[in-house]
Amino acid sequence: DQQVKQNSPSLSVQEGRISILNCDYTNSMFDYFLWYKKYPAEGPTFLISISSIKDKNEDGRFTVFLNKSAKHLSLHIVPSQPGDSAVYFCAASTYFGNEKLTFGTGTRLTIIP
Amino acid sequence: EPEVTQTPSHQVTQMGQEVILRCVPISNHLYFYWYRQILGQKVEFLVSFYNNEISEKSEIFDDQFSVERPDGSNFTLKIRSTKLEDSAMYFCASSARGLAVYNEQFFGPGTRLTVL
Repeated sequence: DQQVKQNSPSLSVQEGRISILNCDYTNSMFDYFLWYKKYPAEGPTFLISISSIKDKNEDGRFTVFLNKSAKHLSLHIVPSQPGDSAVYFCAASTYFGNEKLTFGTGTRLTIIP
Repeated sequence: EPEVTQTPSHQVTQMGQEVILRCVPISNHLYFYWYRQILGQKVEFLVSFYNNEISEKSEIFDDQFSVERPDGSNFTLKIRSTKLEDSAMYFCASSARGLAVYNEQFFGPGTRLTVL
């Protein structure tokens, strides 16, 4: 059951540059998409989300883009900082986010100082 | 800032034993969830709970699992007879509820369950 896919298991980016993490989904019933950041031995930390009625949402250094026709979303982090090094999970839900989250496999982001 | 808490942080048990994992969700939240992550795998949904009943459960959540909200603050996951394959990180999450309002789920730090 691969309804949410993150095809890049890892990504390395120079400090100060833009990090772009990608996520694809197959279930057209998803109406809410979220990005979580996770450090080892900790729980996922909510970063930013976007509903299906929007195509962009911005919060500080983080921007999420949603392309519904392509069933694709991306997270942009600019500028990237060493503290951004973590595993990033894309997740999707239905019914305003009140139903279960379906997670991707994660992308390990490493920011190189 | 309010947060979801979980106890214990690490639980070691023998196969066949019962375990209870505890969670205190964010106080004004109404939806509660359990997820787990087996080492090296993705985070998987187990069960959601709303209005004192299970609203959805996954195939993983079989008769060995149960959830309870025994009082106004705690939310527990019980595994009646643990198996080796139950070894995982278990995450509790909660969200507020609102129709026409999108609600993100907030996660606790997790309980690492090791079954020997």
